[in-house]
Amino acid sequence: EADIYQTPRYLVIGTGKKITLECSQTMGHDKMYWYQQDPGMELHLIHYSYGVNSTEKGDLSSESTVSRIRTEHFPLTLESARPSHTSQYLCASSPGQGNSPLHFGNGTRLTVT
Amino acid sequence: AQSVTQLGSHVSVSEGALVLLRCNYSSSVPPYLFWYVQYPNQGLQLLLKYTTGATLVKGINGFEAEFKKSETSFHLTKPSAHMSDAAEYFCAVSVRGGATNKLIFGTGTLLAVQP
Repeated sequence: EADIYQTPRYLVIGTGKKITLECSQTMGHDKMYWYQQDPGMELHLIHYSYGVNSTEKGDLSSESTVSRIRTEHFPLTLESARPSHTSQYLCASSPGQGNSPLHFGNGTRLTVT
Repeated sequence: AQSVTQLGSHVSVSEGALVLLRCNYSSSVPPYLFWYVQYPNQGLQLLLKYTTGATLVKGINGFEAEFKKSETSFHLTKPSAHMSDAAEYFCAVSVRGGATNKLIFGTGTLLAVQP
């Protein structure tokens, strides 16, 4: 059973459109993350958050932005989508300590035409 | 800086055979180590983790992994493969004492199980 939810699961849009990928968790976790996953490649951290009103860029540069207005919600926005943004985006959360595992959502597969 | 290397992007075994997925890590400090599994069209699910204590870690679905500091390895094994084990497996490392739980992932190993 999923305690972290991502919508939509699949999205096909045209170049130049603004999109928001939704991520919500019901576990009360302070820390949330966005990873980008391409076939045959490692997952790359693109954004993370320590808590409300806290956001940081990850190890992989991304043109996307995030916000954390509520603990349970961590949406990712692309102001103007491009074909290079085609990828799978995975949201995750964790309770806090360094040895706590991440809980992942099922991902959003984005295709920009 | 931490890094993870998974040897073999594709591994194929017969049903009932031993599963061995290799993972080597690089870390300047003692790491936390994780194995995740990803089934098609799903997110990642935790299989097992090593933090401290016993170096042989048992996880879900009959998988286990052994932390070998001298070899900087954390290989994943299962004595007998089942068809339902077909999935992609990711090894990951995080920084001990780090504040953010940021995980560094390997490139993944796709496991195929032949009948």
